Formats: sequence, structure tokens, C-alpha cells
Amino acid sequence: GESVGLHLPTLSVQEGDNSIINCAYSNSASDYFIWYKQESGKGPQFIIDIRSNMDKRQGQRVTVLLNKTVKHLSLQIAATQPGDSAVYFCAETGTGSARQLTFGSGTQLTVLP
Amino acid sequence: EAGVAQSPRYKIIEKRQSVAFWCNPISGHATLYWYQQILGQGPKLLIQFQNNGVVDDSQLPKDRFSAERLKGVDSTLKIQPAKLEDSAVYLCASSRLAGVQYFGPGTRLTVT
Repeated sequence: GESVGLHLPTLSVQEGDNSIINCAYSNSASDYFIWYKQESGKGPQFIIDIRSNMDKRQGQRVTVLLNKTVKHLSLQIAATQPGDSAVYFCAETGTGSARQLTFGSGTQLTVLP
Repeated sequence: EAGVAQSPRYKIIEKRQSVAFWCNPISGHATLYWYQQILGQGPKLLIQFQNNGVVDDSQLPKDRFSAERLKGVDSTLKIQPAKLEDSAVYLCASSRLAGVQYFGPGTRLTVT
């Protein structure tokens, strides 16, 4: 079946630096992508989403880039803070009325003081 | 706006016992999802409801798992009998039709 995967299982960055978390997807029919942040002991928290008719979307300190040619998306976090330490998941929704999400396995982001 | 509520937060049972989880979605959200998240993995969809009807339960192990959303609001997920491999976090999420899914805190199940 189709899958969504992440390039790196762990990422460590210095506080104040920018973070980039990458995600590859294999379903070329996917038309909607979401990034979630999951802190220890909590449920996934919505960060930002992007539709396939866009290649960039910005939020507060976060930017998502979508490259449909190579089926890749990334999450950029500016000025990374200790509170950003968490597991980050990308998820995609294919076509179909059910609009179900398929999650990748996640990247653990650790912010170093 | 209150978030998705789940209870209990933690549950420890022995294999072959039964367990039930409860979820109260965000008010006004027609769609409710149950996910299973095994340690170190992303959430995997078990079942999706729209109002009180099942949209998709293709990933639900129906020989031991069941779920219901009788009045189109709260939902329960039951496991009977539990196996060791059912140890996981069970997440409930809700959304408006085709909208962003918002997750509850999850129930951590340990089967011994």
C-alpha cells in the first residue's frame, strides 16, 4: 500500500537555530498534507497543513514546503525553542470521500540548550 | 473551545481480559476516529465514524475489537479479549466534515 515516510528518525538542533524536518510520500494522488507535533504523553497536535495546489505555506515560526515532482515535503521551524522538542509526524490524505490520514513514523526533534 | 476528551488515561489489564475506552469529541464535529499508536510508530486508523455511521472499519480487528457511536456524539472502543500485542496508545480524534483532525490525549493500554 501507499506509505508516508520520514528521512531521519532523530534530529538535534541548538536552541535558536532553524530546524528542517523532511518527509517523503509515495502516493502521487495525495492532495492534502498535515504536520503534527506530539509531545510525550500527549496526543498529536496540529501544526500546519498544505494542499497540493500550493508549494509553500507559512504559519507562526513554521513553514511547510511541498515538492510534488519528487513527492517530498518539509517542515521548517524558525528559531527553535526548547518547547519545540517533540516527535513530528507528517500525514497525507489521498483522494476519496473518507479523507483518511496516513501517518509516517515520525522524527524526534531534540533542542539542545 | 474544549478539546477531545478521553478516559481513562491509563489502563493495565491481563491478557484475555476486556477493556473499554471512551471518547467525547469536540462539539459540532461530525467525524470521529479511533487510532492505535504503537510505541515508536505513527497512529494507525482503526475506525472512522460520520455521525453515528461507520465510514471505514477495514483496519479494525473485528474478532476482538468493537466500537460504537450510538447517538453520534460520544464513542466507545472495546477490546475483548485483549492480547499482549494490543499494548499501545489508543487515540481518538474528531473533525468537521473533511476538516483537520484534532486529537485527544489518548489512553495508554498495557496488557500483561
